[in-house]
Amino acid sequence: DQQVKQNSPSLSVQEGRISILNCDYTNSMFDYFLWYKKYPAEGPTFLISISSIKDKNEDGRFTVFLNKSAKHLSLHIVPSQPGDSAVYFCAARASNFGNEKLTFGTGTRLTIIP
Amino acid sequence: NAGVMQNPRHLVRRRGQEARLRCSPVKGHSHVYWYRQLPEEGLKFMVYLQKENIIDESGMPKERFSAEFPKEGPSILRIQQVVRGDSAAYFCASSLGTYANTGELFFGEGSRLTVL
Repeated sequence: DQQVKQNSPSLSVQEGRISILNCDYTNSMFDYFLWYKKYPAEGPTFLISISSIKDKNEDGRFTVFLNKSAKHLSLHIVPSQPGDSAVYFCAARASNFGNEKLTFGTGTRLTIIP
Repeated sequence: NAGVMQNPRHLVRRRGQEARLRCSPVKGHSHVYWYRQLPEEGLKFMVYLQKENIIDESGMPKERFSAEFPKEGPSILRIQQVVRGDSAAYFCASSLGTYANTGELFFGEGSRLTVL
């Protein structure tokens, strides 16, 4: 049962344009959502997060939008840069007495075309 | 470097051997999580440990796999009698464990297990 879904395995975007990565979830108990970026042969690194009480969080070039009614979130990167080429994982947490276990999606490979 | 340290980075085992993967969390972090990533797949939760306690092992296979996080020393993920299907990247993550934090887990660079 895939509770966090990233339906686009890959995405190619021209440098300087906006990259939009999408994520859907099914578990209504999720109350915190995160995006991680991963380069080959490295561990995931945290990018940005959003609490379920918000609908938008912005950090520099990165903005995450949350639509709770649709159980959908998206990551916007603008402008896209070649260094953004990586696999992006959406993750979600259902707060449970300090258990911060994250449930991950399968990832979207973003390629920025110079 | 005060990040999560995992070793070995690469491990090759023959079928039937044992694999031991070690993880030292970020200094001051008392919560450790193990994840597995199979080729071309996402990260799958395996086990969540606090010092000397297993809190959630709902993602851990019932047989051959075990994990510990002793009072002193690193967390260990142990796979006995490895099979080819165990070939994967195993990631360790740590956190402070306080409910009010951002929820971010800090990941190590992973241990890549290859079973011949």
